[in-house]
Amino acid sequence: DAGVIQSPRHEVTEMGQEVTLRCKPISGHNSLFWYRQTMMRGLELLIYFNNNVPIDDSGMPEDRFSAKMPNASFSTLKIQPSEPRDSAVYFCASSLNEQYFGPGTRLTVT
Amino acid sequence: AQSVTQLDSQVPVFEEAPVELRCNYSSSVSVYLFWYVQYPNQGLQLLLKYLSGSTLVKGINGFEAEFNKSQTSFHLRKPSVHISDTAEYFCAVSVPSYDKVIFGPGTSLSVIP
Repeated sequence: DAGVIQSPRHEVTEMGQEVTLRCKPISGHNSLFWYRQTMMRGLELLIYFNNNVPIDDSGMPEDRFSAKMPNASFSTLKIQPSEPRDSAVYFCASSLNEQYFGPGTRLTVT
Repeated sequence: AQSVTQLDSQVPVFEEAPVELRCNYSSSVSVYLFWYVQYPNQGLQLLLKYLSGSTLVKGINGFEAEFNKSQTSFHLRKPSVHISDTAEYFCAVSVPSYDKVIFGPGTSLSVIP
């Protein structure tokens, strides 16, 4: 199994641009999670899906952030417009019983 | 609601010495407990988990943890650490039948040669 796949691994963009992060969960897993990790705030849960349905999006910082899961094998996290304070590492994780994390996307907004 | 406390933000230890990373949790219901490890520039990897049964749980890389319900603790231990154990360690808790996992702030373990 390839594990959780995230793309891109690194993203550098200018303030105001739209950013789309992608995640392919492990086949057969029914839950998917998006996290953000920074030195200041640590690991934060942004949103999670169960069977492609958003269950808890209380961690989404503001309306600039949106996430979708159109099918069981793909999810996106979009930031529009991006701001420098969005710079962080974004992790996707999927689970059946315990969570398996992807390698993360390091986002830098200048 | 559940919460996790990791009192030690940084733990330096000499190579081949024992180490204990502390974790305490708060919950009004039964919980599952986890330890994850994050190596530099990587995602989190599950070290071990407690779901039920024996309170002493053994994980990968020689780590083990003991669930203590009366003290609401789940401390992680290793009898002899290696340089390669240098990483960030996260304790986490979840409620059975509920996917959401609450992570602690992490403990940075530095193994000194």
